[in-house]
Amino acid sequence: GAVVSQHPSWVICKSGTSVKIECRSLDFQATTMFWYRQFPKQSLMLMATSNEGSKATYEQGVEKDKFLINHASLTLSTLTVTSAHPEDSSFYICSAPPPGTFTYEQYFGPGTRLTVT
Amino acid sequence: GENVEQHPSTLSVQEGDSAVIKCTYSDSASNYFPWYKQELGKGPQLIIDIRSNVGEKKDQRIAVTLNKTAKHFSLHITETQPEDSAVYFCAAGGSYIPTFGRGTSLIVHP
Repeated sequence: GAVVSQHPSWVICKSGTSVKIECRSLDFQATTMFWYRQFPKQSLMLMATSNEGSKATYEQGVEKDKFLINHASLTLSTLTVTSAHPEDSSFYICSAPPPGTFTYEQYFGPGTRLTVT
Repeated sequence: GENVEQHPSTLSVQEGDSAVIKCTYSDSASNYFPWYKQELGKGPQLIIDIRSNVGEKKDQRIAVTLNKTAKHFSLHITETQPEDSAVYFCAAGGSYIPTFGRGTSLIVHP
C-alpha cells in the first residue's frame, strides 16, 4: 500500500515552454501532497505543499507564478513549470502521507527528471 | 527552524562489513526521525523510522538508534551487500514536515 506515482518519469522541453508533471496516490486518498526539487548529489528541497481544494503553500524563495500547483482531486496533484529555462532542469519528486498518519510521514514518488534545452 | 547535519557524506565499505551513518538535529521538539534510501534516478524510499518514545528500532539488518538528550540518531546497517549501495538521507520532524540531511553516499564493494 501507500504507492505514489509520477508521470512522466523524464521530460525534455525547449526553453520558454511549459511542462506539467503529475503526482498520483494510487491506492489511497491524499488531501496533502508535497513537491520537492533535487539537484545532482544534493538533498531534497521542499518547494510547496499541495492541498486538495485550496491553494498550495509555497516555501520561501519559490516562485508561485513559475511553479503552478493544482490539487484538484484526492488522488492527483500537478506541478506545472511555466516558461521553463535551463536553470529549471532538475529532479522533481512528490510525496504524500499514507492514510491514517500525520503529515510528516511521507511516501515518495519515483521522481521526474526535467531537462530544459 | 530545524537543522539536520549528516555524516559522513561518503562511506565506502567492503561487503559484509557494517556501516554507520550519523545525524544530529537542533530542534528539541522534533519527535519523528525517518531514514530514506535513494537509488540513482529514483525517489527516496522509507527504510526505517523511529519516534522519540523509543531509543532503538531494528528491522533485519537495519537498526536506528536515537539519543534525544544529545539530539543525535544513527543508522546501522550490518552485513552490507552490494545492493545496499545508494544515497541515504536522514530527516527530523514532528508536527511539521521533516527536514532532510544532506545525504550519505554508501558504496559497498564486493
